[in-house]
Amino acid sequence: QVQLQESGPGLVKPSETLSLTCTVSGGSISSYYWSWIRQPPGKRLEWIGYVYYTGSTNYTPSLKSRVTISLDMSKNHFSLNLSSVTAADTAVYYCARMDAVAALYYFDYWGQGTLVTVSS
Amino acid sequence: DIQMTQSPSPLSASVGDRVTITCRASQSIRSSLNWYQQKPGKAPKLLIYATFNLQSGVPSRFSGSGSGTDFTLTISSLQPEDFATYYCQQSYSTPYTFGQGTKLEIK
Repeated sequence: QVQLQESGPGLVKPSETLSLTCTVSGGSISSYYWSWIRQPPGKRLEWIGYVYYTGSTNYTPSLKSRVTISLDMSKNHFSLNLSSVTAADTAVYYCARMDAVAALYYFDYWGQGTLVTVSS
Repeated sequence: DIQMTQSPSPLSASVGDRVTITCRASQSIRSSLNWYQQKPGKAPKLLIYATFNLQSGVPSRFSGSGSGTDFTLTISSLQPEDFATYYCQQSYSTPYTFGQGTKLEIK
């Protein structure tokens, strides 16, 4: 059974960089797409981006200038860096695996989520 | 970006009811539509992928249909554990986008 677990600081100061790691167990990271998704309090889910096991990435345009998603196969984890954060980046951050059938993609495994608050 | 709009929200129903949640895309997304269930304080759980495919372990009372811009999630007979928030999500093109959610409440 694949399991994902987010880790990182729960409090980040404005203008600093938010850094989270997602550790994958029960399966190898050397396949599939690996995504970050966030949910501001009381709001809908927002896809941030993904990294493919080859290292290629795709980010949502509204965050593209501030986001980096990378993976470390030796540690079987992938990471999110979001720079120059503001209060609007306060959210529960989820990591998720993206699988596909006939090129139709879906998020089948999710981490439990971690709340990141941006505040001084 | 493709906008996803769900209705109704919220939705009040009773145990044993048949309920349908609708999701509309701002442009055709063919069959690239997924449904998730989220309970308070928990991660979303995949229910249906690619419009009508039931994820492993999900009860058969859940079903999905549609194509193009209009999709539905149906629960044939509500159980107490089904009261939650449901989200649709398109994977036709990036950025992937979610609906605003339908909160299914006990009547």
